[in-house]
Formats: sequence, structure tokens, C-alpha cells
Amino acid sequence: AQSVTQPDIHITVSEGASLELRCNYSYGATPYLFWYVQSPGQGLQLLLKYFSGDTLVQGIKGFEAEFKRSQSSFNLRKPSVHWSDAAEYFCAVGSNDYKLSFGAGTTVTVRA
Amino acid sequence: KAGVTQTPRYLIKTRGQQVTLSCSPISGHRSVSWYQQTPGQGLQFLFEYFSETQRNKGNFPGRFSGRQFSNSRSEMNVSTLELGDSALYLCASSLGSVRDTEAFFGQGTRLTVV
Repeated sequence: AQSVTQPDIHITVSEGASLELRCNYSYGATPYLFWYVQSPGQGLQLLLKYFSGDTLVQGIKGFEAEFKRSQSSFNLRKPSVHWSDAAEYFCAVGSNDYKLSFGAGTTVTVRA
Repeated sequence: KAGVTQTPRYLIKTRGQQVTLSCSPISGHRSVSWYQQTPGQGLQFLFEYFSETQRNKGNFPGRFSGRQFSNSRSEMNVSTLELGDSALYLCASSLGSVRDTEAFFGQGTRLTVV
């Protein structure tokens, strides 16, 4: 069965600093990987996805993620964080049985 | 284009009652999925429908049910509500499988059971 682990429950970062959120997955076949962001009281918005090809993928809002098969990881990065990036971030894996399996999420706090 | 619309946004129900939540997907999307989000369990998959057929169901009791209509709109029903059913219920629509097509989420229905 597929699973996703996000080791960091909460990260605090200064505005303008870089951000990296960790994600490890377990899936027997080629993974379809996603990062979503959720602002308070809102639904989920897709930041980026990896299906195949180039292992470094670019997303919206200046985010990127790198797929590393050998480490079963799909870490999300942003070079310079803005206050508006404060939110909860979810890594997910899509499986053949028509569902997304989500990690527990990482809450990002941005300090001035 | 219009996004995924979930109604109502907020709902307060009493234990033992039943509730129906509605989801209108993006036009042209035939797949609708439902997820339950709670602080303790995170995002849990409930079920997925494609062209009125349920293709998968998560590990929830039979009190949770759903359906999809010919216009792709979907409803989920929870009968005999329990306090633990309090959650944010999210609906997602996609063209095909969420595995390889983007899933667009609604803002959710916040259900409180008292």
C-alpha cells in the first residue's frame, strides 16, 4: 500500500530565507507525486506534480521539487519565502486505485 | 472557468441525524473524489466516482455513502452522525484519474456534530 511521510510537522522560517519541506513516499510502482498547499479555511491548491521525465519540476508561486527515486523522496523548495507562503503543505502520491494518499502535512510559519 | 463548488460551506448537526453534502465539479470533469480532513487523522480518502460509477471506497463505515449523477455532480451522505464525524469534507474533481490528471479541490464543507 502507498504511504507518504512528512517528517516535519511545523517549520518556522524568516521572510526572504529559503524553505525546504521534506516528503518521503512508499509506492511499489512508478509514483505520481504532488505537492498541495492549503490556506486556513480553504481547499487544496496544486503547487506542482511529477509524473515522469525531468526530476526537477517547477511549480507555481516560485516553488520547485526534486524527485529522488533512490531516496524515495520528493522535497519541496523555495529560494526566498514571502509572508504569503504561510500555510499548510501536503505531499501526496497518486495510485492506480483512483485516490490520492496524503502526508500529515507541514505547517509553515513565516516570521518578519 | 468556474471551480469546484461545495454546498453548504458550514453545517451544524446533532448526533444521530443524517446529512447530505453536495459537490459540483468543474465542467467537463467526470471524476469526483471525496476526502475527510480532521486534525487527528489528516486527509482521508472516502470514495471516488467516475461517470456515475464508484471506482474506489476508503476505509469508512457504511454510514458514509455517496453517489454521482449523470451531470457529474456528486453527493455524499452520512447517516446516524457521531461526534467524530466533525470534519472538513473536501471534494475534488478531475478529468480522469487523480493519479495522472490534476485534481481541483473545492473549499470544503465544515461539518460540526454536537
